[in-house]
Amino acid sequence: SYVLTQPPSVSVAPGQTARITCGGNNIGSKSVHWYQQKPGQAPVLVVYDDSDRPSGIPERFSGSNSGNTATLTISRVEAGDEADYYCQVWDSSSDLWVFGGGTKLTVL
Amino acid sequence: EVQLVQSGAEVKKPGESLKISCKGSGYSFTSYWIGWVRQMPGKGLEWMGIIYPGDSDTRYSPSFQGQVTISADKSISTAYLQWSSLKASDTAMYYCVRREAGDYFDYWGQGTLVTVSS
Repeated sequence: SYVLTQPPSVSVAPGQTARITCGGNNIGSKSVHWYQQKPGQAPVLVVYDDSDRPSGIPERFSGSNSGNTATLTISRVEAGDEADYYCQVWDSSSDLWVFGGGTKLTVL
Repeated sequence: EVQLVQSGAEVKKPGESLKISCKGSGYSFTSYWIGWVRQMPGKGLEWMGIIYPGDSDTRYSPSFQGQVTISADKSISTAYLQWSSLKASDTAMYYCVRREAGDYFDYWGQGTLVTVSS
């Protein structure tokens, strides 16, 4: 089955840029979606189809996808961005939805 | 406004059965797939399965096939996740999700915490 690999943790100072990666075999050929989950809350979609943002999500959140790595980029990081972030794809070969293991973003 | 409202927290004993629910509103319930996602304590998200309420077409993750049953009653815009015999390892938060026309989940329920303990 298709596997998505994320770093367990990423740390960044306020105002800096955070980059969270999601690795998978030829992931560039798939659409990647990203969710933010704050403690005690349900996940929220922050980026879909590699780089699109749902309404209400700040422009500071952006995404890219190429080769074997997709990246969620958060610019001008704020304390309120501290959360777990998950990437997700649909694997057409198996008709299964797959999540990455999640990355905890810490704002120093 | 699109909403997915889940049933409340449950405390059960091993071996007991359980059915939790997810009621959709604010959109055409029969036109969107509804999925279920498990999150064990302190762990990540796991996709369990998905159903299309329009015709009850259902898909399961191999990890959950045979362990749970997903169903839907379109007359009351409600999807269900059920167990016939719970185990302690079923203790988790369960989220229902709406699949957008693409392959992502644009709306999430608030979650249902299931605790299985003797």
